[in-house]
Amino acid sequence: AQSVSQHNHHVILSEAASLELGCNYSYGGTVNLFWYVQYPGQHLQLLLKYFSGDPLVKGIKGFEAEFIKSKFSFNLRKPSVQWSDTAEYFCAARYGQNFVFGPGTRLSVLP
Amino acid sequence: DAGITQSPRHKVTETGTPVTLRCHQTENHRYMYWYRQDPGHGLRLIHYSYGVKDTDKGEVSDGYSVSRSKTEDFLLTLESATSSQTSVYFCAIREPGDNQPQHFGDGTRLSIL
Repeated sequence: AQSVSQHNHHVILSEAASLELGCNYSYGGTVNLFWYVQYPGQHLQLLLKYFSGDPLVKGIKGFEAEFIKSKFSFNLRKPSVQWSDTAEYFCAARYGQNFVFGPGTRLSVLP
Repeated sequence: DAGITQSPRHKVTETGTPVTLRCHQTENHRYMYWYRQDPGHGLRLIHYSYGVKDTDKGEVSDGYSVSRSKTEDFLLTLESATSSQTSVYFCAIREPGDNQPQHFGDGTRLSIL
């Protein structure tokens, strides 16, 4: 079955700490990968996406993600988090017309 | 932000009543989706549409039906609501193309007592 897993349920960091959120997806041929962020009470917003080409993808707000095909992974990174990054982060994979989301990782950044 | 309007934004109703949620877009995107969001589950696909009158089931379609009679509107109906359908419902739209992401509406919080 197509599935996306995220390694951490809740991550707590201090401001300026580095962030890495894990995401693994199940094999399904050609897969497009996405990271979305959901701030409290808001809708999901696209952070970045991977379609093909350079496996290191840069997104908005200083986030980046690395696609490692051999590990079926698409981890999200940010070198220095801010309090305003407090949110829930969702990894998603597109299999054909079906988008599958991970369960989400809640990030809390302490000022 | 993409032109997506979900209505109502909040609704409280009783078990056994019918409920219809509306998603309206002004982007003329071909694909539209309905998800439910529950703690620990992320977003789960209920139904999606790939054109007017063309719909298909998602992962959690039982108890839900949809209709799309116009490009801009995608309706989600709970024929007889149950407490397990208490959730936040999100609509998403997408243009055709492999690398096109989904864009989400602001959600509808539905409580079934």
